[in-house]
Amino acid sequence: KNQVEQSPQSLIILEGKNCTLQCNYTVSPFSNLRWYKQDTGRGPVSLTIMTFSENTKSNGRYTATLDADTKQSSLHITASQLSDSASYICVVTQKGGSYIPTFGRGTSLIVHP
Amino acid sequence: DADVTQTPRNRITKTGKRIMLECSQTKGHDRMYWYRQDPGLGLRLIYYSFDVKDINKGEISDGYSVSRQAQAKFSLSLESAIPNQTALYFCATSANSRGNTGELFFGEGSRLTVL
Repeated sequence: KNQVEQSPQSLIILEGKNCTLQCNYTVSPFSNLRWYKQDTGRGPVSLTIMTFSENTKSNGRYTATLDADTKQSSLHITASQLSDSASYICVVTQKGGSYIPTFGRGTSLIVHP
Repeated sequence: DADVTQTPRNRITKTGKRIMLECSQTKGHDRMYWYRQDPGLGLRLIYYSFDVKDINKGEISDGYSVSRQAQAKFSLSLESAIPNQTALYFCATSANSRGNTGELFFGEGSRLTVL
């Protein structure tokens, strides 16, 4: 069964600090991995997409990494801001078939001033 | 205007009542989805549709039904609501398989409370 596991479940950091969120998956064959940001009470929005050949991709202060051999991804947030407080969801899509993505349960990040 | 619009945004109802949540999109996508979100459980797929005449069950379809009235409209019904269907419901769309990178575009959510 395809699974996506995220850690930690929740994280509290001070404004200006860096943090790293982890995602492990068993989805195979692999098509791509996305990180979504979900603000409280809003729908998730895609931050970045990682394909098989990509190791690192940045989107502003967000940097995602992918190790397709170990089936792990991370999302690093640099110089956190209060607006980074949100849930971050890792979503992996299987290659072929119906392209229905598999969701992780998310990491809830709280940034304190 | 939002690309994916859900109505109502909030609804409180009583056990046994019939409820319909509606979703419309202007993205021109063929694929539409209904998800349910509960604290600690993440987003779970209820139903999805790849075309107007295509309906597929997701992992938690029991107690729900859907209707794809047009390419742009996908509604979710609870025939007889029960309290454990209290949750935040999201509609989402994605492109068809030819142009699909897996990105989902979500609505703003419909919060349903069943008393």
